[in-house]
Amino acid sequence: GAGVSQTPSNKVTEKGKYVELRCDPISGHTALYWYRQSLGQGPEFLIYFQGTGAADDSGLPNDRFFAVRPEGSVSTLKIQRTERGDSAVYLCASSLTDREDTQYFGPGTRLTVL
Amino acid sequence: AQSVTQLDSHVSVSEGTPVLLRCNYSSSYSPSLFWYVQHPNKGLQLLLKYTSAATLVKGINGFEAEFKKSETSFHLTKPSAHMSDAAEYFCVVRATYNTDKLIFGTGTRLQVFP
Repeated sequence: GAGVSQTPSNKVTEKGKYVELRCDPISGHTALYWYRQSLGQGPEFLIYFQGTGAADDSGLPNDRFFAVRPEGSVSTLKIQRTERGDSAVYLCASSLTDREDTQYFGPGTRLTVL
Repeated sequence: AQSVTQLDSHVSVSEGTPVLLRCNYSSSYSPSLFWYVQHPNKGLQLLLKYTSAATLVKGINGFEAEFKKSETSFHLTKPSAHMSDAAEYFCVVRATYNTDKLIFGTGTRLQVFP
């Protein structure tokens, strides 16, 4: 079946602009996770949803970052007033539940802030 | 708090020789540990996972890892490297207190020479 998909695959924006990154999880997966991977580093956790609610948002770096999952499927990560330091690959993962099930990752969105 | 340390940022081997990628973990609880692989321009793929069952875990593509509590280690091995094994490898621990997030190491880049 289809895996986790993310759009766009690449996004170039200017400092100060607003961006939205989209994640389509595997069908039927109730848990969805966002991670950020900076160059040469391992992925770092941002937020995860169980159903429509954010179960843990402790990794969001500041209030410019926000994520939603209104119908418990697709999720959107929103970044306001982008900064050059936001440049990274944003990864999405989903799992069947949040009870220690395997997390399956999408290919990521590469965000470049000029 | 849980954490993992990957002891080598780069490992180079010749095709057909053994592979050893080292990982030490820190956890107050009985940890869930994983190895993920990331090929260039591809998503993270789960190689194997340890969740307190057998201490020797077999994964895909001939990889295996051994959980050693006395050494707090979870090293990844393969008897014979293949050119297609060249990739970035991440040791990962699952946070267990009130969350389901994954905590990644900084990664080990494996090069395989013919």
